[in-house]
Amino acid sequence: AQSVAQPEDQVNVAEGNPLTVKCTYSVSGNPYLFWYVQYPNRGLQFLLKYITGDNLVKGSYGFEAEFNKSQTSFHLKKPSALVSDSALYFCAVRVSGYSSASKIIFGSGTRLSIRP
Amino acid sequence: EAGVAQSPRYKIIEKRQSVAFWCNPISGHATLYWYQQILGQGPKLLIQFQNNGVVDDSQLPKDRFSAERLKGVDSTLKIQPAKLEDSAVYLCASSLRTSGRSSNEQFFGPGTRLTVL
Repeated sequence: AQSVAQPEDQVNVAEGNPLTVKCTYSVSGNPYLFWYVQYPNRGLQFLLKYITGDNLVKGSYGFEAEFNKSQTSFHLKKPSALVSDSALYFCAVRVSGYSSASKIIFGSGTRLSIRP
Repeated sequence: EAGVAQSPRYKIIEKRQSVAFWCNPISGHATLYWYQQILGQGPKLLIQFQNNGVVDDSQLPKDRFSAERLKGVDSTLKIQPAKLEDSAVYLCASSLRTSGRSSNEQFFGPGTRLTVL
């Protein structure tokens, strides 16, 4: 079955330290992978995506993600965390849906908490 | 560029009542999605429209949920009658298209938080 997993419900990091939010996937064929962020009482915002090419993808707000085909992972990273990065982060993967239309399935989310 | 608009932002109803949500996607976006996000979980796709046609409603509880996208622009999602387990945030999203090798990202509205008592 095609799926995406976020093994950590919560990640706690001190401001200024590097952060990593983990994501693994299981899809047939080449994966299209995404990261979204959700702030309180707001909809999801697109951060970055991987389609093909360079395994290190750069996105909004200084975030980047590394695609690792052998480990089927797409971890989100940032070299220096900010308190304002505290939010709920979702990894997502594009899969073939019903009637051959593609759709995106989301992981369960990881709450990132950055302490001052 | 205006984003995806949704209304209302909040709705409280009693079980067995009916409720409707409205979504206006980004201008020019052919694909529109409705998601259900239960507290503590990721969004789950309920229905996907391409223009005014349904391309995926495999996870829509059709005995109580319905959706339409007249004229391929605005969309409404209805629940009739509501159950306690329908309490969730209902998110609308749109994208340019999803055909072929397209991987256009989805743009989300702020959501409607539904509480069923």
